[in-house]
Amino acid sequence: ILNVEQSPQSLHVQEGDSTNFTCSFPSSNFYALHWYRWETAKSPEALFVMTLNGDEKKKGRISATLNTKEGYSYLYIKGSQPEDSATYLCAFCTGANSKLTFGKGITLSVRP
Amino acid sequence: EPEVTQTPSHQVTQMGQEVILRCVPISNHLYFYWYRQILGQKVEFLVSFYNNEISEKSEIFDDQFSVERPDGSNFTLKIRSTKLEDSAMYFCASSLRTGGADTQYFGPGTRLTVL
Repeated sequence: ILNVEQSPQSLHVQEGDSTNFTCSFPSSNFYALHWYRWETAKSPEALFVMTLNGDEKKKGRISATLNTKEGYSYLYIKGSQPEDSATYLCAFCTGANSKLTFGKGITLSVRP
Repeated sequence: EPEVTQTPSHQVTQMGQEVILRCVPISNHLYFYWYRQILGQKVEFLVSFYNNEISEKSEIFDDQFSVERPDGSNFTLKIRSTKLEDSAMYFCASSLRTGGADTQYFGPGTRLTVL
């Protein structure tokens, strides 16, 4: 059974703070790691797909790193804004199939 | 920008009734998926579909569930006889290619409530 863990479970920060989240996954049979941003009542929005050990990806103020050998990925948000308030999901894939195994998500709340 | 759409946004049904959840994937995508999230739990995979057949299904996807692509645009999930524990948010997703390295684009979900 694949287990994907995310921490912390929730985070409350002040506007302007930088924050980071952790996604842990099995280091064996790794194929890809996906990050999604999910606002209530909207579709989960794809942020990154990461495949290579040492990958770093960036989208505006959001960036992510990947360590496949130790089985973790970090998501960073620089200078959080209230519109960053959402649930951030990571999902792991073993490759031959396309099935995504999700973590429970991290709920970020950014106070103005 | 193309997006995955789902209808209805909320469905309430009585236990034992059949429900059909509908999805319109992104038009040039070839791979289709259903996931669900029971309140307070993780999003979990149900089934993947390609070339008019199921590619993979989870142990949740038993004989009560079926999927169909009845025409060139819709992708449906049918639950034949709903149970209380089927209450969840059901997400449809699509991707252009297979393999876990391709982005899966999600719809906004259908919240199914079984009474």
